[in-house]
Amino acid sequence: QKEVEQNSGPLSVPEGAIASLNCTYSDRGSQSFFWYRQYSGKSPELIMSIYSNGDKEDGRFTAQLNKASQYVSLLIRDSQPSDSATYLCAVERLPGNTGKLIFGQGTTLQVKP
Amino acid sequence: GAVVSQHPSRVICKSGTSVKIECRSLDFQATTMFWYRQFPKKSLMLMATSNEGSKATYEQGVEKDKFLINHASLTLSTLTVTSAHPEDSSFYICSARAAGGPLNEQFFGPGTRLTVL
Repeated sequence: QKEVEQNSGPLSVPEGAIASLNCTYSDRGSQSFFWYRQYSGKSPELIMSIYSNGDKEDGRFTAQLNKASQYVSLLIRDSQPSDSATYLCAVERLPGNTGKLIFGQGTTLQVKP
Repeated sequence: GAVVSQHPSRVICKSGTSVKIECRSLDFQATTMFWYRQFPKKSLMLMATSNEGSKATYEQGVEKDKFLINHASLTLSTLTVTSAHPEDSSFYICSARAAGGPLNEQFFGPGTRLTVL
């Protein structure tokens, strides 16, 4: 089992729709979770961090965390063509306090005008 | 804030040469920097962790004598790919964690694309 799993996609949504990106992780003790966006040929850009169960909203983005189910998701409301990118889920690698992250393989999102 | 730069952005070299990549945190002090490698359509693979003033720690399978890391100051870490070969061609990305910042929150540099002929 991979430590951080994401569906590679591509996930295709029409402009204006909600895009839902999912991620599961294997290490139950992980406490820190991140979503990064990566455009083709560019480096990752931090979108959201989440540490507690529940939802965290920032503009059009909402991160959701369920530690019991070892599941973290990212919702993008009112999707725009400029949101088309690969979204990487990253999870703190245990033991903690090292700053090390484990990345999923990424989900490619395509927003069609 | 939280800007990380890398230099060069792109390098093409002949097999057998060494290439140095610089990673700088421009507006914050980074006690820890990380070096990643990314092959096409693959995710980021952590190569090593660079701590200011101490030796880097390498991930399993990464040759420390081939990938030399120096973290000379709180704003600069360098990765030197020694005796590069075509299989070392990849996208190398550094990230930095701000001293006193949220635990595990990393900011990435723009990356260096290395092509070894």
